[in-house]
Amino acid sequence: GDSVTQMEGPVTLSEEAFLTINCTYTATGYPSLFWYVQYPGEGLQLLLKATKADDKGSNKGFEATYRKETTSFHLEKGSVQVSDSAVYFCALSGYNFNKFYFGSGTKLNVKP
Amino acid sequence: GAGVSQSPRYKVAKRGQDVALRCDPISGHVSLFWYQQALGQGPEFLTYFQNEAQLDKSGLPSDRFFAERPEGSVSTLKIQRTQQEDSAVYLCASSLGRRGPYNEQFFGPGTRLTVL
Repeated sequence: GDSVTQMEGPVTLSEEAFLTINCTYTATGYPSLFWYVQYPGEGLQLLLKATKADDKGSNKGFEATYRKETTSFHLEKGSVQVSDSAVYFCALSGYNFNKFYFGSGTKLNVKP
Repeated sequence: GAGVSQSPRYKVAKRGQDVALRCDPISGHVSLFWYQQALGQGPEFLTYFQNEAQLDKSGLPSDRFFAERPEGSVSTLKIQRTQQEDSAVYLCASSLGRRGPYNEQFFGPGTRLTVL
């Protein structure tokens, strides 16, 4: 069945460090891929998405490229800020978008 | 405009009690989803509605779980005879539900259920 595997956390970085959170997926067909973020005390928010192979999603300095050959969708940011501290979830969905499959989440702590 | 709202935000139940969790989707959103998020885990799909029709309930863990959306707007997730393993955050999400490449799901803040 469809599934998402993402690196375990927590990830602790200093401000302005480079961030990578790995995400790989297993799916039939051609899924769409997403990164969601959950700030402390808040609900899940869509961070970025990519709906086909080689698409690059980007938002707020974060980027992820849909790599079909490696079944990956790694999240990157060149310079993290304290305000980026949150839990990040990788997710996939099939064409009908009736069901999302989420990874287990990666907690990011950014220290000043 | 208002986002997805859920109530109550926190619920403590004694084992064996019935609970009802409410979700108010964004106005005009056709599709509504329920997810269960255990501590330290990602959300897991429970069920999906398109308008009032429950099109997929494959994720409901047992027949103690029941969801409804009688008028195609507000939805209620009911858990009968709660067990400790039901303790989790229950998330509701809604989307426009149009056919096509993508419909973003907008999530509510969740209801944290603790079963003692």
